[in-house]
Amino acid sequence: NAGVTQTPKFQVLKTGQSMTLQCAQDMNHEYMSWYRQDPGMGLRLIHYSVGAGITDQGEVPNGYNVSRSTTEDFPLRLLSAAPSQTSVYFCASTTTWGVTDTQYFGPGTRLTVL
Amino acid sequence: SQQGEEDPQALSIQEGENATMNCSYKTSINNLQWYRQNSGRGLVHLILIRSNEREKHSGRLRVTLDTSKKSSSLLITASRAADTASYFCATDNYGQNFVFGPGTRLSVLP
Repeated sequence: NAGVTQTPKFQVLKTGQSMTLQCAQDMNHEYMSWYRQDPGMGLRLIHYSVGAGITDQGEVPNGYNVSRSTTEDFPLRLLSAAPSQTSVYFCASTTTWGVTDTQYFGPGTRLTVL
Repeated sequence: SQQGEEDPQALSIQEGENATMNCSYKTSINNLQWYRQNSGRGLVHLILIRSNEREKHSGRLRVTLDTSKKSSSLLITASRAADTASYFCATDNYGQNFVFGPGTRLSVLP
């Protein structure tokens, strides 16, 4: 199993550009989530999904969209990039919420918005 | 707002010494987890302790949970240089998501 994969690893955008961060898992996990990590801070939840077709907002959802058309994929879209979105983004998954609760993290995408 | 807060923010010890870091949280929880993050990498799950447990061990790791004080501690015994990393606690606050603290940066000096 590849686990949780994320692409790209690095990305530089200009203010106002849009892009999609890809996340995929091959563990048949129902629960997937996106976090951002800023220097000196813990991870903050952006959006999460408890299954295909179901998404919900986390702590910092503004400026981001998600969809979950399949169990495996959970892309994160930046609609109009802003310098405040410069961060490291992590995707994570777990089997089913409330069963094991152990999250498996991808390697991260380092995003810089100029 | 962050549910968990780790203490200290940074810790520097010699190889072979024990490292203790603490986590405090604000609301009732179902479980609390500790994760490790090596520089530039994703988080790796270390240990999960449920609200009805008081202590849990995994190799050189020992986690305690005191729900009355809303706090947890992570002890790493006989530390190694490879233990150098940031350590985060995460709580589930009975919702469908986790809340992470800002982490403790551990440096183990050879």
